[in-house]
Amino acid sequence: DQQVKQNSPSLSVQEGRISILNCDYTNSMFDYFLWYKKYPAEGPTFLISISSIKDKNEDGRFTVFLNKSAKHLSLHIVPSQPGDSAVYFCAASSLRAGSYQLTFGKGTKLSVIP
Amino acid sequence: GAGVSQTPSNKVTEKGKYVELRCDPISGHTALYWYRQSLGQGPEFLIYFQGTGAADDSGLPNDRFFAVRPEGSVSTLKIQRTERGDSAMYLCASSPGTDTQYFGPGTRLTVL
Repeated sequence: DQQVKQNSPSLSVQEGRISILNCDYTNSMFDYFLWYKKYPAEGPTFLISISSIKDKNEDGRFTVFLNKSAKHLSLHIVPSQPGDSAVYFCAASSLRAGSYQLTFGKGTKLSVIP
Repeated sequence: GAGVSQTPSNKVTEKGKYVELRCDPISGHTALYWYRQSLGQGPEFLIYFQGTGAADDSGLPNDRFFAVRPEGSVSTLKIQRTERGDSAMYLCASSPGTDTQYFGPGTRLTVL
């Protein structure tokens, strides 16, 4: 039973436009959420995170939104650049419960078209 | 500064053999994690160390898998009697605390 779901395996966006990647979770104990970016043959690179006490966190072109009632988060990339083309993973953990392991979704492959 | 490093980057072995995968965490990071990623999937948790001790090994699939971190820094993941189903990317991550984890480049294990 997947506790973190990324329902879109792939997404194509024109350069300069907004990319929106979505993630749903089922475990109400999750209280810390992260997005990672992964290029082929490399390990995941941390992008941005959000605690459940917040509903938004921004870092440059990246913004993560959290809707706890819907158990949904999204990553917005504005403006999208060709170098953003990669697989994006959503991950979650339960820090208050003392469970620090990350549970990942299956990833969404983003292609930014020049 | 230096990131997490993992050696070897690729390992090919035969079914039934023993393998060791090494992880060097970011200096000063007390927490260290191992994950396994199969094709088309996200990474799956294997084991978590806080210092020298395994604080959570609930993700290890069976007793053929074992990991150590004797001095609280470098960790080795050991797999006995390898099976073809063990073929995957093995990822190590470290963390200064309990929140954000920083990943290494991984070791691609292929069991023939």
